[in-house]
Amino acid sequence: EVQLVESGGGLVQPGGSQRLSCAASGFPFSSYALSWVRQAPGKGLEWVSGISGSGDITYYADSVKGRFNISRDNSKNTLYLQMNSLRAEDTAVYYCGDYYYMDVWGKGTTVSVSS
Amino acid sequence: EVVMTQSPATLSVSPGESATLSCRASQSVSSNLAWYQQKPGQAPRLLIYGASIRATGIPIRFSGSGSGTEFTLTISSLQSEDFAVYYCQQYNHWLRTFGPGTKVDIK
Repeated sequence: EVQLVESGGGLVQPGGSQRLSCAASGFPFSSYALSWVRQAPGKGLEWVSGISGSGDITYYADSVKGRFNISRDNSKNTLYLQMNSLRAEDTAVYYCGDYYYMDVWGKGTTVSVSS
Repeated sequence: EVVMTQSPATLSVSPGESATLSCRASQSVSSNLAWYQQKPGQAPRLLIYGASIRATGIPIRFSGSGSGTEFTLTISSLQSEDFAVYYCQQYNHWLRTFGPGTKVDIK
């Protein structure tokens, strides 16, 4: 069974940093490109970033480019999102999933950016 | 960036009726289009991928059609559990994008 478990969220001050993790199981992790998607409170879904299976190709939405960094450790079956220079508008539930269409969703991890 | 638009923003439907939701892309996304359903307090659920292929376990009352820039999700004979928000998402271009969603509520 495919499972994705996001973690690392919390309360962070504006301008601060946070690193999210996504622990994956049940599929050949290194064969799959993955994404981070977020949802601000009461808002729609926003694709944030994607990464190839090998980790050598990355993509970012304009809203996070230059501030966020996606990476993966295929030996640990774990996806990461390093978030820097956080803003109030980054407050959201963050989900990880497939880079193409997300057929499996975890529970997400909540990031709150506030002073 | 491919901009996805959805219409209407809200659709009021009586149980048992059908609903037709539209999704439009600012440029062609071929058939690389997915639909998701989201209920309050829950993560989204994949309904359709490849514009018209039902995901595992999705009832046949959900059907998708279209290609290029115009797509439709049809829900025939709405059940109580179908009242939710529906999002489309393109996965044809490197930067993936979602539509703003259509809320289907009870008339």
